[in-house]
Amino acid sequence: AQSVAQPEDQVNVAEGNPLTVKCTYSVSGNPYLFWYVQYPNRGLQFLLKYITGDNLVKGSYGFEAEFNKSQTSFHLKKPSALVSDSALYFCAVRAPERGFQKLVFGTGTRLLVSP
Amino acid sequence: GAGVSQSPRYKVAKRGQDVALRCDPISGHVSLFWYQQALGQGPEFLTYFQNEAQLDKSGLPSDRFFAERPEGSVSTLKIQRTQQEDSAVYLCASSYWTSGNTGELFFGEGSRLTVL
Repeated sequence: AQSVAQPEDQVNVAEGNPLTVKCTYSVSGNPYLFWYVQYPNRGLQFLLKYITGDNLVKGSYGFEAEFNKSQTSFHLKKPSALVSDSALYFCAVRAPERGFQKLVFGTGTRLLVSP
Repeated sequence: GAGVSQSPRYKVAKRGQDVALRCDPISGHVSLFWYQQALGQGPEFLTYFQNEAQLDKSGLPSDRFFAERPEGSVSTLKIQRTQQEDSAVYLCASSYWTSGNTGELFFGEGSRLTVL
């Protein structure tokens, strides 16, 4: 069964500095990987996904993520953080088999960007 | 509507009461999902519909939980004889794509259930 680990409960970064939110996964075969963001009292919003192809994927709001198969990681990155990026970030994985495969989420990482 | 709509946004129930949570997905979206998000946790899969067919209900925690989507659009998650451990945010998501596709999910804002 697939699983996702987000080892950091919280990441603190100063505005303007680069940020990284870590994610590692476990799944049979080549995974489909996703990042979502959740603002307070709001639903999850899709940021980006990796399905196949280039290991570096770019998404919304200047975020990007790098798929590393050997390290089974899919870390979320942004070159310059904004205070408005402060939110809860979830990594998710889906197995690539045919038919329905549920999307499995990590426990989330709270990003706090200070002015 | 423009997005996934869920109601009620907040529900307080006494232990033992039945509750019904509604999800109105994005028009034309084939797939509909229910997730449960406990405080401080990531969303946990409950069930999946493709049109009106419930193709996976493996995540429903007990037989007190029941979901339906009779006409392939609006869905209702019903919880019978609520317990305190049912307190959580219930998220609904929809997708244009069928189960095996790589499309992302569009989530509603959730229904926060508190069982006293």
